[in-house]
Amino acid sequence: DAGVTQSPTHLIKTRGQQVTLRCSPKSGHDTVSWYQQALGQGPQFIFQYYEEEERQRGNFPDRFSGHQFPNYSSELNVNALLLGDSALYLCASSFQGYYGYTFGSGTRLTVV
Amino acid sequence: RKEVEQDPGPFNVPEGATVAFNCTYSNSASQSFFWYRQDCRKEPKLLMSVYSSGNEDGRFTAQLNRASQYISLLIRDSKLSDSATYLCAVKGATGTASKLTFGTGTRLQVTL
Repeated sequence: DAGVTQSPTHLIKTRGQQVTLRCSPKSGHDTVSWYQQALGQGPQFIFQYYEEEERQRGNFPDRFSGHQFPNYSSELNVNALLLGDSALYLCASSFQGYYGYTFGSGTRLTVV
Repeated sequence: RKEVEQDPGPFNVPEGATVAFNCTYSNSASQSFFWYRQDCRKEPKLLMSVYSSGNEDGRFTAQLNRASQYISLLIRDSKLSDSATYLCAVKGATGTASKLTFGTGTRLQVTL
């Protein structure tokens, strides 16, 4: 039973570039949430997708966008990268938002 | 005021000690509560859910005080392997409109 898988594991981008991160939820899960975790901080909620729609959004600018596909996998896109976007990006899945979430191992993004 | 607040620590304790972490939340409508464990540069992993009546899992005990809006985690007989960051997480509602909000985490270092 595969857990949550994220790709890539590490990424280095230049300021101003765009990046796409990918997530496949745990088998049986249909809801995907994305989090940003800066060093020394707790994960910050970016948004949540269910039934291919963004259901809830945290306090992140429109440069952050996402998508959920019919197979429940999801992408996080970040445009016009800033140095401050450097962080660990975590994907978490759940079944319809119930109970605790299962996290992927994350994508470590470095913006230079 | 932050939605979820934790003492960032670090808590440095000797092996065998008992240590307690507290976490406060601001939204009185919060429905579900969790403790996650996060090892350095890894993803958060669900340690335990927190129920109104309190619950125990081996050396770990979680308590919820809805009136005072705080949750706690007690670790008895600390092991070296307990060294990690412990994240408190709160969910507003069940179902697809929910989001999981994290505290900044409390770092625990267990020493010989």
